[in-house]
Amino acid sequence: DAEITQSPRHKITETGRQVTLACHQTWNHNNMFWYRQDLGHGLRLIHYSYGVQDTNKGEVSDGYSVSRSNTEDLPLTLESAASSQTSVYFCASSADRFGGYTFGSGTRLTVV
Amino acid sequence: GQQVMQIPQYQHVQEGEDFTTYCNSSTTLSNIQWYKQRPGGHPVFLIQLVKSGEVKKQKRLTFQFGEAKKNSSLHITATQTTDVGTYFCAGRNSGGSNYKLTFGKGTLLTVNP
Repeated sequence: DAEITQSPRHKITETGRQVTLACHQTWNHNNMFWYRQDLGHGLRLIHYSYGVQDTNKGEVSDGYSVSRSNTEDLPLTLESAASSQTSVYFCASSADRFGGYTFGSGTRLTVV
Repeated sequence: GQQVMQIPQYQHVQEGEDFTTYCNSSTTLSNIQWYKQRPGGHPVFLIQLVKSGEVKKQKRLTFQFGEAKKNSSLHITATQTTDVGTYFCAGRNSGGSNYKLTFGKGTLLTVNP
């Protein structure tokens, strides 16, 4: 069965370190998204991609970057982790630009 | 930018009672989606509404899209403990090339058995 997987599920890192969160989907979806979820803020869009070599900034992109070298993967990199980036990160994908999203199980990141 | 407001933030009900959450957008939407997130889980897509005044049902869940396409509601009849979770609406702007979804902050539903 097709799926979208995120790794790791949990990570603790130190302030200032570079961290990469993985997102891999086997749906063959062109569209992929990264969200962070924090209490009181709901889901906020970090970066998104509509296809290979396409990346776009969302509403909270500062301090984050993504790259899309193939259809299956959209890794999220925190260039220099900050305590404000402690959050739960969700990756999502969709078959078309107007349809529903399929979310991964999330990565809980703690920056100490 | 587009804002999607959702109320209430929390709702606690007794099992068997009805539940409604409301979603309001600052701009006209091309479509609206609803998601459910169980505690500790990830958001799961429930439904998409596209047409003005559209009403869709999924068993005990009824979804409505307003005539002006700026508001929506989710109504659950006779809640069960399996309905526990956070319900999010997510709207997509009409017009232009902006396809991004903007999520509301969600309504957390708890059900007392």
